[in-house]
Amino acid sequence: GQNIDQPTEMTATEGAIVQINCTYQTSGFNGLFWYQQHAGEAPTFLSYNVLDGLEEKGRFSSFLSRSKGYSYLLLKELQMKDSASYLCAVKNDYKLSFGAGTTVTVRA
Amino acid sequence: DTGVSQDPRHKITKRGQNVTFRCDPISEHNRLYWYRQTLGQGPEFLTYFQNEAQLEKSRLLSDRFSAERPKGSFSTLEIQRTEQGDSAMYLCAFLKRFNTDTQYFGPGTRLTVL
Repeated sequence: GQNIDQPTEMTATEGAIVQINCTYQTSGFNGLFWYQQHAGEAPTFLSYNVLDGLEEKGRFSSFLSRSKGYSYLLLKELQMKDSASYLCAVKNDYKLSFGAGTTVTVRA
Repeated sequence: DTGVSQDPRHKITKRGQNVTFRCDPISEHNRLYWYRQTLGQGPEFLTYFQNEAQLEKSRLLSDRFSAERPKGSFSTLEIQRTEQGDSAMYLCAFLKRFNTDTQYFGPGTRLTVL
């Protein structure tokens, strides 16, 4: 089975940093993805980790520890437009298994 | 913009009616996926195609659901005898030609069953 856990909600102030944690227990692993999803829209790809360590892409960074079944997404210099749901997804062979998503609210 | 279209974008139907959704990927996307997302949850895998071959169907895909991908181009997802529990966002996803790891999503079809 697949078990992917992430916090339901987080709130942060504009300009701050927020870290969204994701823990997973899955029957297989071929990589971990983070997607951003604004209300009523489709998920958009943010980052992909297949090896342990940190991947940095502009204001967003993602970290993976395969031995611990753990990842986080770091959002820096938060902007109002970053208010969205952030989905952690584990790839197993050809398909993705998603967590329920973390709703991030950015306050002025 | 992923260049993928889904039609319709919104569909309201009465319980018991049949509905069909369409996904039009860019022609060189040989692998196409269907997911369903209910409110407050992440997308759930339904099925996927390699060209025109349907290679796996989730147990979520009951016998009321059928998907096709004729000629390995566009794909359709049909739901027969809709139920209120079918209300969800239906998303198609695909792999880009030179990136076979990342799935990119179309805009989705929002289904509401009354």
